[in-house]
Amino acid sequence: GAVVSQHPSRVICKSGTSVKIECRSLDFQATTMFWYRQFPKQSLMLMATSNEGSKATYEQGVEKDKFLINHASLTLSTLTVTSAHPEDSSFYICSALGGHGYTFGSGTRLTVV
Amino acid sequence: EDQVTQSPEALRLQEGESSSLNCSYTVSGLRGLFWYRQDPGKGPEFLFTLYSAGEEKEKERLKATLTKKESFLHITAPKPEDSATYLCASRRGSQGNLIFGKGTKLSVKP
Repeated sequence: GAVVSQHPSRVICKSGTSVKIECRSLDFQATTMFWYRQFPKQSLMLMATSNEGSKATYEQGVEKDKFLINHASLTLSTLTVTSAHPEDSSFYICSALGGHGYTFGSGTRLTVV
Repeated sequence: EDQVTQSPEALRLQEGESSSLNCSYTVSGLRGLFWYRQDPGKGPEFLFTLYSAGEEKEKERLKATLTKKESFLHITAPKPEDSATYLCASRRGSQGNLIFGKGTKLSVKP
């Protein structure tokens, strides 16, 4: 079956630093990748949609300069949280769309201290 | 506005006690109703996709059904390992992204 690898699974960073999260489709090519954010006891909130080789489309209210998304190949998308602050602490999940439908990564727990 | 609403928020069952989870949706141009299972600290794991009213799909103790306004996830004789949060999502016709409900947290006690 389709597998999406997301790294790191957990990261703690200092306020003001940047953190990069990787999302790889291991056995399929993903034309589109999605990045979600999930708060405790809340649903997954779509942050942005990225297509290989083009600029990401951000949802209303998501700062594109703060959450940089790069989708350089059909198997890799990255989310960089720039100048992180404690309010950016959350669970970030990527999803890749391929022939099997939507496959999700295992998520990244970001804690900004 | 497109919305997906799940109920109940939490459900506690005894092992073997069957029940149903509800997902109601108001989405224009629906192109699929999805069910996922999510364990704590993990990403969603795919269960089912339903496309048209009247469609049903089964997998072990789970059965998903779809009407024009809602979907149900029926759990027959659940086991403790079925404990998880079950997420429902709809796909927008034009954009392709999924809109998620808040989920139902299921706890099955032995």
